[in-house]
Amino acid sequence: DAGVTQSPTHLIKTRGQQVTLRCSPKSGHDTVSWYQQALGQGPQFIFQYYEEEERQRGNFPDRFSGHQFPNYSSELNVNALLLGDSALYLCASSFGQEAFFGQGTRLTVV
Amino acid sequence: SQKIEQNSEALNIQEGKTATLTCNYTNYSPAYLQWYRQDPGRGPVFLLLIRENEKEKRKERLKVTFDTTLKQSLFHITASQPADSATYLCALQGGNNRLAFGKGNQVVVIP
Repeated sequence: DAGVTQSPTHLIKTRGQQVTLRCSPKSGHDTVSWYQQALGQGPQFIFQYYEEEERQRGNFPDRFSGHQFPNYSSELNVNALLLGDSALYLCASSFGQEAFFGQGTRLTVV
Repeated sequence: SQKIEQNSEALNIQEGKTATLTCNYTNYSPAYLQWYRQDPGRGPVFLLLIRENEKEKRKERLKVTFDTTLKQSLFHITASQPADSATYLCALQGGNNRLAFGKGNQVVVIP
């Protein structure tokens, strides 16, 4: 079992650009959540997908959007990047209460 | 507003001793409380979950307590080892499976 995999591992983008991050959940997991973790902070909930629909959303602007595919994999899209979007983006899959996290995508906006 | 507080200062502890971390929260009524371990540049790894109606949970050298009256959880690592050095995150979870994390507390185990 490969666990949760995210791609890419690192990314550098320029302000104003758009980015897409990808996540493959752990086998058998149908729920995918995305978190943003700034340096020295805990992960902050962005949104959660289940059955290809956004079920919950945290306090993030509409520039952050996502998608879940029939195979449960997911994408996080961020438009009009700001310097403050630089962070580690974590994907977590779950089937029950326990969440399994990927290694994250380190996004740097310059 | 909801707050989850963990000690911002790193905990330096001698190998073999018990490390104890605190998680306090306000304006929240979690159904579950979870603890995760995070190593630098990596995603969090689940350690333990405790339900609101449970007082204590153990797993190998780890012990978690949960006091919903005090709105506090304590996380203990007994017989600590250098390999236990990491940041430990407290996370609250309601019925919607969404996790709200504290900032984390770094533990450094000194050989």
